[in-house]
Amino acid sequence: GAVVSQHPSRVICKSGTSVKIECRSLDFQATTMFWYRQFPKQSLMLMATSNEGSKATYEQGVEKDKFLINHASLTLSTLTVTSAHPEDSSFYICSALDRSGRGYNEQFFGPGTRLTVL
Amino acid sequence: DAKTTQPTSMDCAEGRAANLPCNHSTISGNEYVYWYRQIHSQGPQYIIHGLKNNETNEMASLIITEDRKSSTLILPHATLRDTAVYYCIVRVRVRGGADGLTFGKGTHLIIQP
Repeated sequence: GAVVSQHPSRVICKSGTSVKIECRSLDFQATTMFWYRQFPKQSLMLMATSNEGSKATYEQGVEKDKFLINHASLTLSTLTVTSAHPEDSSFYICSALDRSGRGYNEQFFGPGTRLTVL
Repeated sequence: DAKTTQPTSMDCAEGRAANLPCNHSTISGNEYVYWYRQIHSQGPQYIIHGLKNNETNEMASLIITEDRKSSTLILPHATLRDTAVYYCIVRVRVRGGADGLTFGKGTHLIIQP
């Protein structure tokens, strides 16, 4: 399957700082990427849909001014958690949509980024 | 997307077949059954998907009942590395479509040595 990477894999930051997480599709172009969040012992929750060259679409209850998404190229989407607080501590996972000939709209997931806000 | 119901957890002995059920009684005609798994502290991994015929790949087999109201994911020879949370997701599969996935609670499969 297609490969998606995330960087960093783990980050610890102080409350009030901003953290940027990168999601890259390594061997395919992804015009659409998704960002999910997973709290301990819970399932993944979709946060937003990121489309290359346009504004992201956020799910209900997700603050767009707090979670800034930029999808400036066909292989890179970034999620910036602004003014992070301890309640933002979570596992952030991206997925990239592969629309190439090998599939319809299969999603491939990154390995996730563990964010801890002190 | 149709709602799915899965057991919260299951145990299986190493080397045996693991059979994971999923109920999707409200599935509509154009919805596919997808299976993903998530090993602890990793991103989800695609396993298999199907519409109405049984499917098999190098990872698993998917058996869908004739009325499509339920399905079973089969891992033929489970290993300790198959311990994970398995998610059954029902969704429309449209070329060019782009919707995020809705994950339920899944089944925590524990492979016992």
